[in-house]
Amino acid sequence: EPEVTQTPSHQVTQMGQEVILRCVPISNHLYFYWYRQILGQKVEFLVSFYNNEISEKSEIFDDQFSVERPDGSNFTLKIRSTKLEDSAMYFCASEGGDEQFFGPGTRLTVL
Amino acid sequence: LAKTTQPISMDSYEGQEVNITCSHNNIATNDYITWYQQFPSQGPRFIIQGYKTKVTNEVASLFIPADRKSSTLSLPRVSLSDTAVYYCLVGDSNTGFQKLVFGTGTRLLVSP
Repeated sequence: EPEVTQTPSHQVTQMGQEVILRCVPISNHLYFYWYRQILGQKVEFLVSFYNNEISEKSEIFDDQFSVERPDGSNFTLKIRSTKLEDSAMYFCASEGGDEQFFGPGTRLTVL
Repeated sequence: LAKTTQPISMDSYEGQEVNITCSHNNIATNDYITWYQQFPSQGPRFIIQGYKTKVTNEVASLFIPADRKSSTLSLPRVSLSDTAVYYCLVGDSNTGFQKLVFGTGTRLLVSP
């Protein structure tokens, strides 16, 4: 069964550092998403991406965040200058037009 | 997007049927009802989606009354591995490509 993969599974970084979270969506999907979940809280939408551009973004997705699909397979989320409050699980999801398939997540810890 | 309300938590025992009800009084005509499951430290996983009446798949059933203001996810004969958080989402899923708006979900604990 096809699946969404994410790397790394856990990323530890110092406050102010840049991080790039990577995702490989399901190959024939066209719509991509990033969500995050702070420990003990609900899953929150960050951004959606289609046809090589952002379709929608939430208030959380400020200028520190960016997304990119550098090639035909990877989908990345970059946080330019991490803050303590960016510590969370980050989930990538892809969709072929019906349900969204989520990856296993990257746990980001900002020290 | 319609607001959803579901119980914060539920307890059950192995082998029992579990019914989780979600209310969505402001559901729109084009809205579908979708349920996701999330295990600890994993991404949410699609369980079932429906528009009206009853939908059944290999893992669950979804019951939707005629007024569509609520829905019930039914898990037959739960096992310990069904312990998870279950989310009810309402949105115009028919067209696809729509962000998912998660509430706090229902935390189901299945005990031996």
